[in-house]
Amino acid sequence: NAGVTQTPKFQVLKTGQSMTLQCAQDMNHEYMSWYRQDPGMGLRLIHYSVGAGITDQGEVPNGYNVSRSTTEDFPLRLLSAAPSQTSVYFCASTSRRGGTGELFFGEGSRLTVL
Amino acid sequence: AQSVTQPDIHITVSEGASLELRCNYSYGATPYLFWYVQSPGQGLQLLLKYFSGDTLVQGIKGFEAEFKRSQSSFNLRKPSVHWSDAAEYFCAVGAKTSYDKVIFGPGTSLSVIP
Repeated sequence: NAGVTQTPKFQVLKTGQSMTLQCAQDMNHEYMSWYRQDPGMGLRLIHYSVGAGITDQGEVPNGYNVSRSTTEDFPLRLLSAAPSQTSVYFCASTSRRGGTGELFFGEGSRLTVL
Repeated sequence: AQSVTQPDIHITVSEGASLELRCNYSYGATPYLFWYVQSPGQGLQLLLKYFSGDTLVQGIKGFEAEFKRSQSSFNLRKPSVHWSDAAEYFCAVGAKTSYDKVIFGPGTSLSVIP
């Protein structure tokens, strides 16, 4: 079972470069979200989506864009990377239809911005 | 707005000793509450969740948690800790009306000594 798949697992960027973190899930989950994890800060919600075509901001949305054109995919875009965006990024999904509310996480993407 | 605090940044316990990790939340409505565990270099795994009903919930790996509405707390407990329990533990709160915006606490790092 694939579950939630994130790519790439590791990435190094220079300040000002752009990139997209990919997230795909094969569980037909309506809800998908992106978190960043920093030491001592736990996981902070960046953006989330409750279905195709619908996105909303979380706790720390600045510097990130998202879109949801399909149920399966929820890419996270950094348009102009900054050192403050060095972090580990996690994508998570869950079902809102009779589900348990459990978030299913990808393995994470470690991003370093120089 | 939702928020979660975990007062203990790091806890060290001896193998075989009991464990209690504290979690306090702030939320305007009845919350969904979760505990997740993250082993080093891994994603997050759900330990247990509270939605409604019995305020003492059982989870995997011998963990349990008690929801106390009057104290806005959802503390995690285990009667006898194993070395393999060394990990980062996160408390999280979500909206009972939907699964939107699940917010995580900063985490508690658990070390287990022989």
